[in-house]
Amino acid sequence: DTAVSQTPKYLVTQMGNDKSIKCEQNLGHDTMYWYKQDSKKFLKIMFSYNNKELIINETVPNRFSPKSPDKAHLNLHINSLELGDSAVYFCASSRSGGAFGELFFGEGSRLTVL
Amino acid sequence: GDSVTQMEGPVTLSEEAFLTINCTYTATGYPSLFWYVQYPGEGLQLLLKATKADDKGSNKGFEATYRKETTSFHLEKGSVQVSDSAVYFCALREDTDKLIFGTGTRLQVFP
Repeated sequence: DTAVSQTPKYLVTQMGNDKSIKCEQNLGHDTMYWYKQDSKKFLKIMFSYNNKELIINETVPNRFSPKSPDKAHLNLHINSLELGDSAVYFCASSRSGGAFGELFFGEGSRLTVL
Repeated sequence: GDSVTQMEGPVTLSEEAFLTINCTYTATGYPSLFWYVQYPGEGLQLLLKATKADDKGSNKGFEATYRKETTSFHLEKGSVQVSDSAVYFCALREDTDKLIFGTGTRLQVFP
């Protein structure tokens, strides 16, 4: 069983469209994240949710709206897609409560905006 | 704010060569430090970690020691293999739930 799974793995779409990426974890973790990896491999946190509540929002444009229906799922919806949104988006999860825990990552969703 | 600085890549080595990838950090408190590895086309996997000063993390022949006096966490391996070719990320985490990554260092190992 995959611990952190994301769908779709690849997404190609036109500018201006709206798209969603789904993430599910079966590790029993209560904290989930979205990270964006650009073409130079730089990883930057976008959002973090703990028990369905938003706890980190790193000045991401409000075209990006995360939604956590329960603590095992964190979906990312993007409105009015722009060329600069092309990237690989990684979902991750961890146990909360301090600095010691590792993050478990999904395999990534490659978004290409044409 | 907290940050992580890694040496720029790519690092190109022959098989069985010694590897060092430098990592230094800036933090206000006492972070935990991590090395993650990303193989081509895959997500990130934890390689090793250290949670306090002088701790040594090790896994798969890789090692890194948490040096508070030099704020460093350099990754080393005595003899690299072609299968070690990947991108390596140094990261830190303090009491927030945020994991902060360095820019990543690509390692290419040739037979």
